[in-house]
Amino acid sequence: DAGVTQSPTHLIKTRGQHVTLRCSPISGHKSVSWYQQVLGQGPQFIFQYYEKEERGRGNFPDRFSARQFPNYSSELNVNALLLGDSALYLCASSLEVLGPLLNNEQFFGPGTRLTVL
Amino acid sequence: GEDVEQSLFLSVREGDSSVINCTYTDSSSTYLYWYKQEPGAGLQLLTYIFSNMDMKQDQRLTVLLNKKDKHLSLRIADTQTGDSAIYFCAEGRNFNKFYFGSGTKLNVKP
Repeated sequence: DAGVTQSPTHLIKTRGQHVTLRCSPISGHKSVSWYQQVLGQGPQFIFQYYEKEERGRGNFPDRFSARQFPNYSSELNVNALLLGDSALYLCASSLEVLGPLLNNEQFFGPGTRLTVL
Repeated sequence: GEDVEQSLFLSVREGDSSVINCTYTDSSSTYLYWYKQEPGAGLQLLTYIFSNMDMKQDQRLTVLLNKKDKHLSLRIADTQTGDSAIYFCAEGRNFNKFYFGSGTKLNVKP
């Protein structure tokens, strides 16, 4: 079985541009979460989507948005890019909404490395 | 993030025990996790503990939770060079948000 996949692996953009990152969860997983990991820091929670609805949002500006499709894949969109948006963007999937349920571990993808110049 | 704190570095000798500490501030956190991140690799869940537990043991790993002090620790027994990585603690809140600490880089010397 394939794990969580993300595309692209690397991306270079300039300030003010817009970017779309994509994530395919593990087959059967209905929840997708997005995280931003700046170099030298821990992942910061951006969004959780479950059954195509936003179920949680971290402390990020409205420039960040996401959606989940009927096949449970997800896109993260960032508008008006800033230099500080340069980071590794991680996607994670789980069977159900985040929580201490049996076999509900989050599996992380390899990430998309975004560089904003 | 969101007030989950860890010390940045830990260095131990092969065969010794490693203890990685974490503090959090949200008393409503219902579950706490330990993740491992190796260079070029994704985040790997090591273990987790529910907030109504004090201790959980899983092979070489022991997790201790002091809910009163909001303190979590991960003990790795008989640490090996393959255990060298960055370790993150994380807390889940209200089934819809997830917060990681800044990570502790563990260096195991042969």
